[in-house]
Amino acid sequence: DQQVKQNSPSLSVQEGRISILNCDYTNSMFDYFLWYKKYPAEGPTFLISISSIKDKNEDGRFTVFLNKSAKHLSLHIVPSQPGDSAVYFCAASARSGNQFYFGTGTSLTVIP
Amino acid sequence: DAGITQSPRHKVTETGTPVTLRCHQTENHRYMYWYRQDPGHGLRLIHYSYGVKDTDKGEVSDGYSVSRSKTEDFLLTLESATSSQTSVYFCATDLSGGHGNEQFFGPGTRLTVL
Repeated sequence: DQQVKQNSPSLSVQEGRISILNCDYTNSMFDYFLWYKKYPAEGPTFLISISSIKDKNEDGRFTVFLNKSAKHLSLHIVPSQPGDSAVYFCAASARSGNQFYFGTGTSLTVIP
Repeated sequence: DAGITQSPRHKVTETGTPVTLRCHQTENHRYMYWYRQDPGHGLRLIHYSYGVKDTDKGEVSDGYSVSRSKTEDFLLTLESATSSQTSVYFCATDLSGGHGNEQFFGPGTRLTVL
């Protein structure tokens, strides 16, 4: 059963506007969350992370929000740029384990 | 960036043949992982290693085996390839097994089983 879910397979946004990508998880033991960005024919690259002791982490145009009670995290990109067009994966891990669990990905298209 | 290479980058093979994919890292990371990426499934863990000769199964390990004889190399073997194993395979490494550090990914191997 998928422990990390990204229910929107795709998202289109105008350049300059905000992109919001969502991720839900089911395992309450998850305490570390990451977002990865993936371009075609390349491996995923790390974008931003958040620990469960925080509810927000910001890095330039990228902000991740964590709502532990709802088991939900989101990635905000402001302002969106055409170079942000990629597939975004969220991932989660638990201190008791040795692996990350990945969502199915959301394909973001930023329209110039 | 962690230096992670995968070989081959592309491979076409026939059903029933053995296939070995190689992952090589230069960062001395303890943990190494093999994932497969398929449409609608995202990244699914096949096997991972937490040290030389120490490996464990992931979510989709059936039909795959791994070996790690050196810190820097992690091999994925399909003993008898099937068409359902047509996929893009990614190797990844990290320092601490998912505990507060990100994973670094290789460029991927596209495998086609005819």
